[in-house]
Amino acid sequence: DIQMTQSPSSLSTSVGDRVTITCQASQDISKCLNWYQQKPGKAPKVLIYGASNLETGVPSRFSGSGSGTDFTFTISSLQPEDIATYYCQQYDDLPFTFGGGTMVEIK
Amino acid sequence: QVQLQESGPGLVKPSQTLSLTCTVSGGSISSGSYYWSWIRQPAGKGLEYIGRIYARGGTDYNPSLKSRVTISVDRSKNQFSLRLTSVTAADTAVYYCARHYDISAKMAHGFDYWGQGILVTVSS
Repeated sequence: DIQMTQSPSSLSTSVGDRVTITCQASQDISKCLNWYQQKPGKAPKVLIYGASNLETGVPSRFSGSGSGTDFTFTISSLQPEDIATYYCQQYDDLPFTFGGGTMVEIK
Repeated sequence: QVQLQESGPGLVKPSQTLSLTCTVSGGSISSGSYYWSWIRQPAGKGLEYIGRIYARGGTDYNPSLKSRVTISVDRSKNQFSLRLTSVTAADTAVYYCARHYDISAKMAHGFDYWGQGILVTVSS
């Protein structure tokens, strides 16, 4: 299985700050990476697909980049409604695997 | 608008079989290049892919669960189901059903529709 290592596991920051989350794959996955947002008690919601493509309806403050083994997810200006846990997920090979998640909190 | 809804027992005894159903509304389970998946999440932990079934047949399972998992589809009811045998406390989790489709044999747009999730507890 392809292992996805996500960091940090949690972060606390202020409204308006820039948030950066990284995800590293255990092998080259090209751009086969998605990012999800999960709020408490809810199902995950896809924000970014194909490493850098913004899903329809998702605010432009969210972005993704990277290819190969190293990927970055960014919130350019954190809003109160962005409090959630974020997950990366690779789809280059089965089984699909997820990163361990990053919990984003407001300081 | 496609909607998915999980249903089934919320409590299963150890060594027994967990059975869940996902009902799809707002679209046909048989149309397009859709895959219908099960994903689970233990409390306070991350997401684990269990397996999927293709709209036109064919399944694949996470090797870590393969010996205990069966995913099937009932096209007449627009449902797909999960069976997980010989459950233990480690199988306690919120179980989600989800959909994705492929473009050029690769997932497109991620898991784009999810059910709300159902908590299944394994306990005597």
